[in-house]
Amino acid sequence: KQEVTQIPAALSVPEGENLVLNCSFTDSAIYNLQWFRQDPGKGLTSLLLIQSSQREQTSGRLNASLDKSSGRSTLYIAASQPGDSATYLCAVSPTTSGTYKYIFGTGTRLKVLA
Amino acid sequence: DTGVSQDPRHKITKRGQNVTFRCDPISEHNRLYWYRQTLGQGPEFLTYFQNEAQLEKSRLLSDRFSAERPKGSFSTLEIQRTEQGDSAMYLCASTDISNIQYFGAGTRLSVL
Repeated sequence: KQEVTQIPAALSVPEGENLVLNCSFTDSAIYNLQWFRQDPGKGLTSLLLIQSSQREQTSGRLNASLDKSSGRSTLYIAASQPGDSATYLCAVSPTTSGTYKYIFGTGTRLKVLA
Repeated sequence: DTGVSQDPRHKITKRGQNVTFRCDPISEHNRLYWYRQTLGQGPEFLTYFQNEAQLEKSRLLSDRFSAERPKGSFSTLEIQRTEQGDSAMYLCASTDISNIQYFGAGTRLSVL
């Protein structure tokens, strides 16, 4: 059974710091991995999608890497800003399903202090 | 393109009542998903539609839960005889061939 773990559960950093969020998954048979952002009481916004054949994806100040064989992904946020404060969720789409559903981790709650 | 819409945003009900939620996906998306999220947890998959066909249901979806997607457009999720354990945020997502999931704002259910 696929399980997704995110470390740390919470993180507080001063504005301007670079930071890394970690995600691990137990089964490497995945179509892809997505990183999402969730603001309190809101839905999720997709930040980056990495196909299983890819090693990384970049969007602005965000860079996500994928090491499928070791079951790990990282989300790197450069020059953090108070507006980055949110919960960041990692999710994998297992090939055993065939429906492209996602299995989510419990998230990392990020607070960027001004 | 107005994104994924969910209605209502909040629902308060008494235990034992039936509730129905609606999701309007992005119009050209043929894939639709329902997830449930409780406080401090990530979303958990409930069910999946491709067009009007319901192709997968989670074991989380007990007999009290039913979902439909008539004509492959909007979808409804009904919970019969609600229980306090049903209190959660119910999220709908749609996607196309890109597999990028676009989520609605969710319906927060509180069962008293």
